[in-house]
Amino acid sequence: NAGVMQNPRHLVRRRGQEARLRCSPMKGHSHVYWYRQLPEEGLKFMVYLQKENIIDESGMPKERFSAEFPKEGPSILRIQQVVRGDSAAYFCASSPLGLVYNEQFFGPGTRLTVL
Amino acid sequence: SQQGEEDPQALSIQEGENATMNCSYKTSINNLQWYRQNSGRGLVHLILIRSNEREKHSGRLRVTLDTSKKSSSLLITASRAADTASYFCATVSPTGANSKLTFGKGITLSVRP
Repeated sequence: NAGVMQNPRHLVRRRGQEARLRCSPMKGHSHVYWYRQLPEEGLKFMVYLQKENIIDESGMPKERFSAEFPKEGPSILRIQQVVRGDSAAYFCASSPLGLVYNEQFFGPGTRLTVL
Repeated sequence: SQQGEEDPQALSIQEGENATMNCSYKTSINNLQWYRQNSGRGLVHLILIRSNEREKHSGRLRVTLDTSKKSSSLLITASRAADTASYFCATVSPTGANSKLTFGKGITLSVRP
């Protein structure tokens, strides 16, 4: 059973470009979470999705950021018109259930660098 | 605002010694989890302790939880060089349907061979 997969692992964009980060959850997991980690910081929650639904996007910036988890295919975190402050590691986690006792399984992350 | 606050921020010990890391949090929780992150890598789940539990063990790991003090500790016994990593505590709120993790800033542990 493959773990959570994220791609690309490294992404370089110039200011104003779009960044698309993909996350394939573990097999059988229908809950996906996105977190952002700035250098020397802990992870900050961004958004929680189930298939075709956004459950909680309280950590997502109101502009330029969007996320989806379609019925088929990976979850996508999309950042439009990137700025230098978007440079960070973005981690996806998945779980089989959205209950509070769940363990979340993390992917290796996508490191976004904005030039 | 940060929910979990770990201390110390950095810890350096000799191989074979025990490492104790502490975490404090502000609001009530359903459970608290500890994760490890090796440099440049993703997070690995270590242990989960529920709010009605006081202590849990897993191999060389021992976690305690004191809900009256809103604090937890992670003890790694007989440390190894491979334990060198950043360690994070993360809490899950008891309210609502979502189960997002709220992380502290982490503790950098260095184990000298």
